[in-house]
Amino acid sequence: GENVEQHPSTLSVQEGDSAVIKCTYSDSASNYFPWYKQELGKRPQLIIDIRSNVGEKKDQRIAVTLNKTAKHFSLHITETQPEDSAVYFCAAGDNYGQNFVFGPGTRLSVLP
Amino acid sequence: DTGVSQNPRHKITKRGQNVTFRCDPISEHNRLYWYRQTLGQGPEFLTYFQNEAQLEKSRLLSDRFSAERPKGSFSTLEIQRTEQGDSAMYLCASSIGGGTGQPQHFGDGTRLSIL
Repeated sequence: GENVEQHPSTLSVQEGDSAVIKCTYSDSASNYFPWYKQELGKRPQLIIDIRSNVGEKKDQRIAVTLNKTAKHFSLHITETQPEDSAVYFCAAGDNYGQNFVFGPGTRLSVLP
Repeated sequence: DTGVSQNPRHKITKRGQNVTFRCDPISEHNRLYWYRQTLGQGPEFLTYFQNEAQLEKSRLLSDRFSAERPKGSFSTLEIQRTEQGDSAMYLCASSIGGGTGQPQHFGDGTRLSIL
């Protein structure tokens, strides 16, 4: 089955700096890779996703890159703000919603 | 509110009791997922429905756990003979179907505490 690893487990950055979180996956059949943000006591919320037919996707300050050959994908947040502080989860799955696995999460702290 | 709805929000019960949770997905979504999340961990997949069919079930899932989605709309998750280790947040998510990966939208979860 799929196995998703995520690094680092915690990340502290100064406000305005960039943050990068990396994930690797094991199942070559996975072709859908979303990222979720979860604030304390709240539901996970989708912030960006990427499908295997593209290598990069950007949405304002957030970008995701995918390297299918190496089986890794990364989240990039630029110009970080204190409200970006949360736990971020990557996930991997196939087109049909199966074999969906989340990474263990990265706790991001943006220091003012 | 057209988001994913879960009830109850909190459930406290004694070890050995049965509990049932309900999830109402977004109305046009035909895929429904159940996850379990413990503190400091990512959501752990439990089971998945496409319409009323249960297509996948985690092999880590004890036979004390059962889920249904009888009419392809709401779903229930039942845990029989609860144990201390069942204490967790139980999350439901839904998505539309189709041949490409679709975003899953989560509910607020049901927090289960076993005394």
